[in-house]
Amino acid sequence: DAKTTQPNSMESNEEEPVHLPCNHSTISGTDYIHWYRQLPSQGPEYVIHGLTSNVNNRMASLAIAEDRKSSTLILHRATLRDAAVYYCILRDVRRNTGNQFYFGTGTSLTVIP
Amino acid sequence: GAGVSQTPSNKVTEKGKYVELRCDPISGHTALYWYRQSLGQGPEFLIYFQGTGAADDSGLPNDRFFAVRPEGSVSTLKIQRTERGDSAVYLCASSLTGTGGPTDTQYFGPGTRLTVL
Repeated sequence: DAKTTQPNSMESNEEEPVHLPCNHSTISGTDYIHWYRQLPSQGPEYVIHGLTSNVNNRMASLAIAEDRKSSTLILHRATLRDAAVYYCILRDVRRNTGNQFYFGTGTSLTVIP
Repeated sequence: GAGVSQTPSNKVTEKGKYVELRCDPISGHTALYWYRQSLGQGPEFLIYFQGTGAADDSGLPNDRFFAVRPEGSVSTLKIQRTERGDSAVYLCASSLTGTGGPTDTQYFGPGTRLTVL
């Protein structure tokens, strides 16, 4: 699976939108983009995933660049509960040996009240 | 509903001892994954089970690490002759099918914090 690059940390004010970037310049056509987040002292939890088109769910939106070499996770209105480490992960859908993920170091998001 | 549970939540042991870490996946999930997370790092894949069999154990660091899932549900990660470098949070996750499809969401447990003195 191709690698991703994320900023180590970001800050946001409470109730402001947050844009978390992820670069994946070596992405292949069959790589899905997954985002998970890890709240303090918890295991990671699913946020959103996409392939080519932008995606929205109740937690966030995922904007994918036209060339797919980058993507952005958008939290529309940050709350203190959104303070977490956010991981951008690529997963080749052709792999048939399980759905194991290869995490990077992620982006640590601080939300300022 | 019940999520993934892991026991114990904390384990302190001495160098050279044997430890077992338990994972109870979500009922009905055929795939189970073990990860290890060191301080300041993302989770590192260790092993993946499809049913009772270990389908991919490429992440196990050495032969001191072993995992089983005898009945296709509960899994135990076993570490022999523990070393200080084994200190980490051990995370377990499960997913419904493990087929690698994009909708096969992984659900993680809270982890077991292992400290080797």
